[in-house]
Amino acid sequence: DADVTQTPRNRITKTGKRIMLECSQTKGHDRMYWYRQDPGLGLRLIYYSFDVKDINKGEISDGYSVSRQAQAKFSLSLESAIPNQTALYFCATSDNTAVETQYFGPGTRLLVL
Amino acid sequence: GQNIDQPTEMTATEGAIVQINCTYQTSGFNGLFWYQQHAGEAPTFLSYNVLDGLEEKGRFSSFLSRSKGYSYLLLKELQMKDSASYLCAVGYNFNKFYFGSGTKLNVKP
Repeated sequence: DADVTQTPRNRITKTGKRIMLECSQTKGHDRMYWYRQDPGLGLRLIYYSFDVKDINKGEISDGYSVSRQAQAKFSLSLESAIPNQTALYFCATSDNTAVETQYFGPGTRLLVL
Repeated sequence: GQNIDQPTEMTATEGAIVQINCTYQTSGFNGLFWYQQHAGEAPTFLSYNVLDGLEEKGRFSSFLSRSKGYSYLLLKELQMKDSASYLCAVGYNFNKFYFGSGTKLNVKP
């Protein structure tokens, strides 16, 4: 079974709709992240969380919100989706070691019409 | 951003050696990381450098020079399965990571 899972894997929605992307992990890591990936722009950090009570904005948080429901779960919400939020979204986790590597989920492909 | 630059695309031949460069205009980061990403899949960790110098992991090696502001990933004995995008990233305070836009490597027979 995958250590980091994301649901849904693909989603099509309309402008103005609220949607939620979910991430679950079985790695026991405290740190979780949400990124979006656009062609030519690479991965950009949206939000990150170090534990259940910790939420931090990343590079591009406008238009997004997150919820860390448990150590294993970190969800990303688009309150009112717009077409330029069409992208590939990745969740990632890392542990608290001295040099962290990140473990990515399989991604959610989102299309906003 | 952190002005992390990588070539957009490279082509190499199976069995050869290829070097993928990453330059950056930032400082104070804890580590420089390399990830591999096959089309439509998640990035997977390859290598990292904390100190200047070469880190070798099998067919993959990564080099960092903080004073010169660059890193490279060296892939030896190229295989067809190495065709993928390679992402360079800097990590700050073990919590924020900034990625380059990636280099798409095409390996030809």
